[in-house]
Amino acid sequence: GQQLNQSPQSMFIQEGEDVSMNCTSSSIFNTWLWYKQDPGEGPVLLIALYKAGELTSNGRLTAQFGITRKDSFLNISASIPSDVGIYFCAGYFGNEKLTFGTGTRLTIIP
Amino acid sequence: NAGVTQTPKFRILKIGQSMTLQCTQDMNHNYMYWYRQDPGMGLKLIYYSVGAGITDKGEVPNGYNVSRSTTEDFPLRLELAAPSQTSVYFCASSWTGGGDTQYFGPGTRLTVL
Repeated sequence: GQQLNQSPQSMFIQEGEDVSMNCTSSSIFNTWLWYKQDPGEGPVLLIALYKAGELTSNGRLTAQFGITRKDSFLNISASIPSDVGIYFCAGYFGNEKLTFGTGTRLTIIP
Repeated sequence: NAGVTQTPKFRILKIGQSMTLQCTQDMNHNYMYWYRQDPGMGLKLIYYSVGAGITDKGEVPNGYNVSRSTTEDFPLRLELAAPSQTSVYFCASSWTGGGDTQYFGPGTRLTVL
C-alpha cells in the first residue's frame, strides 16, 4: 500500500521559534491533509490542500501541496506552548481511505 | 452537537475475552471509520462504512468485526482479544469520503494482558 514518511519524527524547540516539517509519499495524492493530536485526544484537522502547488495558511500555520504531488510541507511560525502535540500528514487518492503518516512530535522547551 | 463520542475511554482485557467499542456521531455523517494507533505510529484503518448497512475492510481488519445498522452508530467488535490488539482506537466520521474532513472521537485505550 501507499506509505507516507514524515520527518522529523520529533522536534524540541524553544518558544518563539519557527517549525518546519514535511511528508513524502511513494505515490501521488490528490489531497493532502494536516492534523494535530493533543495528548489524550483524537486528531483535529488543521489544513486541507487540494491542488498541486497550493499554499494555504491557517493563522500561524502554512502548508503547501508539493508540485510533484508526492510531498507536502507544514510550517508553524512563532511557536507557542499550545502548539505542543503530534502533527500528522494524511493523503488521499481516488478512494474513501486516507493514508496517515507516522507523525511529528513537537515539544517546546521552556 | 457532541460530535463523535466513544465508550469506554479505557479498558483492560484478558487474552481471549471479547468486547465491543462503541462509537456514535450526531452530525448525520454518511461515512464512519475505525482506526488504531500504536505507539509512535500513525493511524491504521481497520474498517469503514459509507452508510447504514454498508461496511468494508481497511488496512488491518483481522481480529475485528463491525456493523452499521444506523447512521449514528458504528460499533467495533473484538471477538478473541490478543496482546497484538493493545492500542488506542479512534472512531471518526465525515460527510463524504476521501479528502473530506474527518472528525475524530477522543479514543479508547485498550490493553490486552
